Amino acid sequence: EVQLLESGGGLVETGGSLRLSCAASGFIFNSYVMSWVRQAPGKGLEWVSSIGGSGANTYYADSVKGRFTISRDNSRNTVYLQMSSLRVEDTALYYCGKAPFDATGYAPGVSWGPGTVVTVSS
Amino acid sequence: QTVVTQEPSLSVSPGGTVTLTCGLSSGSVSTTYYPTWYQQTPGQAPRTLFYSTNTRSSGVPDRFSGSILGSKAALTIAGAQADDESDYYCVLYMGSGIWVFGGGTKLTVL
Repeated sequence: EVQLLESGGGLVETGGSLRLSCAASGFIFNSYVMSWVRQAPGKGLEWVSSIGGSGANTYYADSVKGRFTISRDNSRNTVYLQMSSLRVEDTALYYCGKAPFDATGYAPGVSWGPGTVVTVSS
Repeated sequence: QTVVTQEPSLSVSPGGTVTLTCGLSSGSVSTTYYPTWYQQTPGQAPRTLFYSTNTRSSGVPDRFSGSILGSKAALTIAGAQADDESDYYCVLYMGSGIWVFGGGTKLTVL
């Protein structure tokens, strides 16, 4: 059974940094694209970033490009989202997702964790 | 900036059929956009219904179907039930690893 568990969320001031982690189990981790999606309070879903199975290829939404960095440690079955220069508008519930294949099409994620909350205060 | 469009809200009677659509502010949606549909209830993580237009996720009932209808991706729910009342999101692949979500449709069953 696929299991994903995010951690690392919390309260940070504008301009600060935070690193989110997503621990995965139940599948061959390095064989799948992993993604981050977020949801601001009362708002819809927003794709944030994806990373290929080897970690060599990364992709970002324009809203976070240059501020967020996605990475993965395939020896630890964990994907990370390093967030810097945080803004109030980055406040959201961040979900980690497993894509259906090691390919960037098909879907950003088909299995999702419960999420971790990031709050950026001014 | 490409905008993915969804109906903000729809309603359906119990047992009825409803179609939710996912379009583009400019152009038509085709299978090359790999439309993916999620269902989300308050306080819960998204649940995947379909990816790649019509590949059904495990456990999704047959009364849900994904397709391309005209210039849009579509999610059709037949025989609607009370627990189908949720928010539904589509996301489209724009190429180069980039995905864009629609604003979501709030479905009411009444």
